[in-house]
Amino acid sequence: QVKLQESGPGLVKPSQTLSLTCIVSGASISNGNYYWTWIRQHPGKGLEWIGYIHYSGNVYYNPSLESRLTISLDTSQNQFSLELNSVTAADTAVYYCARDNEGLKFWGQGTLVTVSS
Amino acid sequence: QAVVTQEPSLTVSPGGTVTLTCGSNTGAVTFGHYPYWFQQKPGQAPRTLIYDTNTKQPWTPARVSGSLSGGKAALTLSGAQPEDEADYYCLLSYSGRKVFGGGTKLTVL
Repeated sequence: QVKLQESGPGLVKPSQTLSLTCIVSGASISNGNYYWTWIRQHPGKGLEWIGYIHYSGNVYYNPSLESRLTISLDTSQNQFSLELNSVTAADTAVYYCARDNEGLKFWGQGTLVTVSS
Repeated sequence: QAVVTQEPSLTVSPGGTVTLTCGSNTGAVTFGHYPYWFQQKPGQAPRTLIYDTNTKQPWTPARVSGSLSGGKAALTLSGAQPEDEADYYCLLSYSGRKVFGGGTKLTVL
């Protein structure tokens, strides 16, 4: 059974870097069939696609976040990560990781990250 | 970046049929946008109902279907049930990058 679990601090100070990890079990992130994806949802709002990474190293980012964003893979730990720097209150959201291909079939439960001093 | 549009809200009677649509400001939505449809209920993560325009997930009810119509992607729910009340989001692909629609709040009443 494929499972994804987001991990990281729930509170980040403005101007600092938001760092999250998605721990994957039941599937290898080295499998070239999948794109490892981050999505967020601002409180009470809709979904926003952040970006994804492929095992080959190809990454695609949301243009509105690209200048602050890095998504990376750690094959030794079977996990992938998101780093978003220079955060503001507008980055407060529930962050989801998911596996794309087969239609984003598997999602993590989501983790709320609040940006506040 | 592209803007994807959905009806903000729709209401359907129990047992009725409703169609949600997903448009793009770049022109007609095509198979090449690989439309996805998600359902989200309060406090839950979204789950995919449809991808690649009309491919269902194992848990997608038979009364749910996806298509292209009138230059948009469409999600049709036939024989609506109370449990269909939820937020629905579409997602379109643009040469690798993806954009969500703003979502449709579906009420079954």
